[in-house]
Amino acid sequence: DAKTTQPNSMESNEEEPVHLPCNHSTISGTDYIHWYRQLPSQGPEYVIHGLTSNVNNRMASLAIAEDRKSSTLILHRATLRDAAVYYCILKVNYGGSQGNLIFGKGTKLSVKP
Amino acid sequence: GAGVSQSPRYKVTKRGQDVALRCDPISGHVSLYWYRQALGQGPEFLTYFNYEAQQDKSGLPNDRFSAERPEGSISTLTIQRTEQRDSAMYRCASSRGGRSPLHFGNGTRLTVT
Repeated sequence: DAKTTQPNSMESNEEEPVHLPCNHSTISGTDYIHWYRQLPSQGPEYVIHGLTSNVNNRMASLAIAEDRKSSTLILHRATLRDAAVYYCILKVNYGGSQGNLIFGKGTKLSVKP
Repeated sequence: GAGVSQSPRYKVTKRGQDVALRCDPISGHVSLYWYRQALGQGPEFLTYFNYEAQQDKSGLPNDRFSAERPEGSISTLTIQRTEQRDSAMYRCASSRGGRSPLHFGNGTRLTVT
């Protein structure tokens, strides 16, 4: 699977938007971009995923660059509960077969009140 | 409904003993994954199943590690002749397959003394 690059850590203020970047310059045409997050002492939790178009759900938005070499996870209003490690993962989807997800080190997001 | 259930939550064992870690996936989920996670690191892929078939075991570190899912539901990860370096959080996840997100359990904390 292609590699992703994320900053080790980021800080945000409560109730402000947060933009978490991810570079994936070696992405291939069949790679989906997945984001998971892991709150302290919990298992990873799915956030969002996309292929080419920007995606929105109740948790976040995913903005994908036109060349797909980078993407940004957007939390519209950070809360203290959003403090977590955020993982950006590329995954090839083989005709419906999920395959595995390879986690990197992620970005540790701190949220200040 | 119930989430992914793992047992035991904590396991302390002496070096050289065998251990069996159990994962009960969400009902109806066809895919089941095993990961392990060292402190401060992202989850490391071990193996995964679609139904009862083990699709990928490339992440198993050596032949002391094995996993099975005989009836396509509950899975057991077995570590034979445990070593101190096997100490970690072992996490199980399940999904409906395809592009469906992974749902993680709370993990089993294994300590080898």
